[in-house]
Amino acid sequence: SQKIEQNSEALNIQEGKTATLTCNYTNYSPAYLQWYRQDPGRGPVFLLLIRENEKEKRKERLKVTFDTTLKQSLFHITASQPADSATYLCALDTGRRALTFGSGTRLQVQP
Amino acid sequence: NAGVTQTPKFQVLKTGQSMTLQCAQDMNHEYMSWYRQDPGMGLRLIHYSVGAGITDQGEVPNGYNVSRSTTEDFPLRLLSAAPSQTSVYFCASSYPGTGTGELFFGEGSRLTVL
Repeated sequence: SQKIEQNSEALNIQEGKTATLTCNYTNYSPAYLQWYRQDPGRGPVFLLLIRENEKEKRKERLKVTFDTTLKQSLFHITASQPADSATYLCALDTGRRALTFGSGTRLQVQP
Repeated sequence: NAGVTQTPKFQVLKTGQSMTLQCAQDMNHEYMSWYRQDPGMGLRLIHYSVGAGITDQGEVPNGYNVSRSTTEDFPLRLLSAAPSQTSVYFCASSYPGTGTGELFFGEGSRLTVL
């Protein structure tokens, strides 16, 4: 079955710096990968989707890369703000009409 | 626009009791799914449906039943609650029936089984 690892359970950075979160996967090569944001006590909210034939995708201060050779996706938040503090989840398609989620990385941006 | 609505938000059960978590979406989405979220384990898929009348098992289906009689509703039934089912449950939906699109999540139902 698909195994997903997100680099660290928690990441602390200073406001204004770039946060970089990692998502590594094994086994099945997904056709696409998604990133979600989850705030405490809330459901996850979709941020970005990147397909296997796309190397990079951007949305405002967010950037996602997808390296199918390394089986890795990087999620960047530039000019980070305290409001960016949340848990970020990566998710991959399983080929079975379902997404498999990583356990998430909790980002804390210090003012 | 309500999106995905889950009820109840909180529930306490005793071991052996049964209950139903309700999920409704008003976006005419074909695909609906149920996940459970436990500390350190991420979201795990319980059951999903690609359209009315069609359901399938996910990663952790044991102890749960689902049905999809309408496009809008996808209830999750706990047949005989066990402490291991203490978790936060999320319902999600997406437009394509393939389950490959952006997922819209409800706010979650926190279940405690004593």
